[in-house]
Amino acid sequence: DTAVSQTPKYLVTQMGNDKSIKCEQNLGHDTMYWYKQDSKKFLKIMFSYNNKELIINETVPNRFSPKSPDKAHLNLHINSLELGDSAVYFCASSQDLLFSGNTIYFGEGSWLTVV
Amino acid sequence: GENVEQHPSTLSVQEGDSAVIKCTYSDSASNYFPWYKQELGKGPQLIIDIRSNVGEKKDQRIAVTLNKTAKHFSLHITETQPEDSAVYFCAANFGNEKLTFGTGTRLTIIP
Repeated sequence: DTAVSQTPKYLVTQMGNDKSIKCEQNLGHDTMYWYKQDSKKFLKIMFSYNNKELIINETVPNRFSPKSPDKAHLNLHINSLELGDSAVYFCASSQDLLFSGNTIYFGEGSWLTVV
Repeated sequence: GENVEQHPSTLSVQEGDSAVIKCTYSDSASNYFPWYKQELGKGPQLIIDIRSNVGEKKDQRIAVTLNKTAKHFSLHITETQPEDSAVYFCAANFGNEKLTFGTGTRLTIIP
């Protein structure tokens, strides 16, 4: 009964391909996030959704398109993959918005390698 | 700007000793300071957090202290055990809808 689950866990793909990472949370949370962790372990937010509405788009290239079909799911689609997209992508969720005093819980990560 | 600095980047501690990791933040409007532990191949796991109206919080062997005047907060782990070995991240919320993370500290507990 994983709280925040994402698939696939590992993904190796060629440059120029399009790929998706799926995320689901069973915590009943209203807010979901995508964070990116680079090779130096630096964690940075990409997107935040609250009740299926985009709250944060942290100057991410247009090739990255999140989609939230419902509050429990936030998928990440990446077009025309580049070598620099290689990273670990973490999905996360919180009960509600952060400024309301909520805590963020992370999934186990999706390791993307672009060759 | 929104910035969190974390030190040290690596820390080795003899088992049973204490470990301290320090973070400073740039904006006095920050109100929430969580600490995450990341084990190899896993996602960050919240271990303790503190809000701006509190100076110290403790949970068994783990404690966090916050100095709002100096804009820094620290993680203290006492009686360290081998399973404490991991990468630890501090983070801060600057009154918006995201966490800004420090650069991480790789903690190694020497048996």
